[in-house]
Amino acid sequence: AQKVTQAQTEISVVEKEDVTLDCVYETRDTTYYLFWYKQPPSGELVFLIRRNSFDEQNEISGRYSWNFQKSTSSFNFTITASQVVDSAVYFCALSEARRGGSNYKLTFGKGTLLTVNP
Amino acid sequence: DAEITQSPRHKITETGRQVTLACHQTWNHNNMFWYRQDLGHGLRLIHYSYGVQDTNKGEVSDGYSVSRSNTEDLPLTLESAASSQTSVYFCASSESRVTGELFFGEGSRLTVL
Repeated sequence: AQKVTQAQTEISVVEKEDVTLDCVYETRDTTYYLFWYKQPPSGELVFLIRRNSFDEQNEISGRYSWNFQKSTSSFNFTITASQVVDSAVYFCALSEARRGGSNYKLTFGKGTLLTVNP
Repeated sequence: DAEITQSPRHKITETGRQVTLACHQTWNHNNMFWYRQDLGHGLRLIHYSYGVQDTNKGEVSDGYSVSRSNTEDLPLTLESAASSQTSVYFCASSESRVTGELFFGEGSRLTVL
């Protein structure tokens, strides 16, 4: 069975600090996708990034970057120069992409609450 | 713009009552999902559907049912509401047959007294 672990329940930083959110996953499949979602205080879930298991290149999008390491089954998320608007719950998720496309459901971690203080 | 909408957004009910949460998407996505969000548990999958007339149980399906009579709708029914079902419920849909990227509704907060 697939599993996603976000060991950090809550993180608090001061604005402009860099912060890394950890995500460790378990799956028996060789083909899978990893995701990060953001849930701001307003409650909606916002897609941030998708990564497939064959692409271990790190990705940067503005102040956000993601480090995917298959060797340690980790997909960590770093926010550089954090801002108050980054305060949210962040979820890491895993989907398995089986041959024939029969399994698309996502398994989520428990989330990390990030608070960025001014 | 295409979207996914949930109703009601907030509901208070009593133990033992039947409750139905509606989910409607206009993306024409084949895949639809219901999750519940609880403190300390993150998002847990209740039921999902990969197309019309297809429904499947997720990890926390007891006490819930769904039906899929058309592409746009996946209503979630609590047959006999229990206090343990007090939660925030999210409906989601996806189009991709491979990646599983989900588009979420705004959530429905259900309180069972």
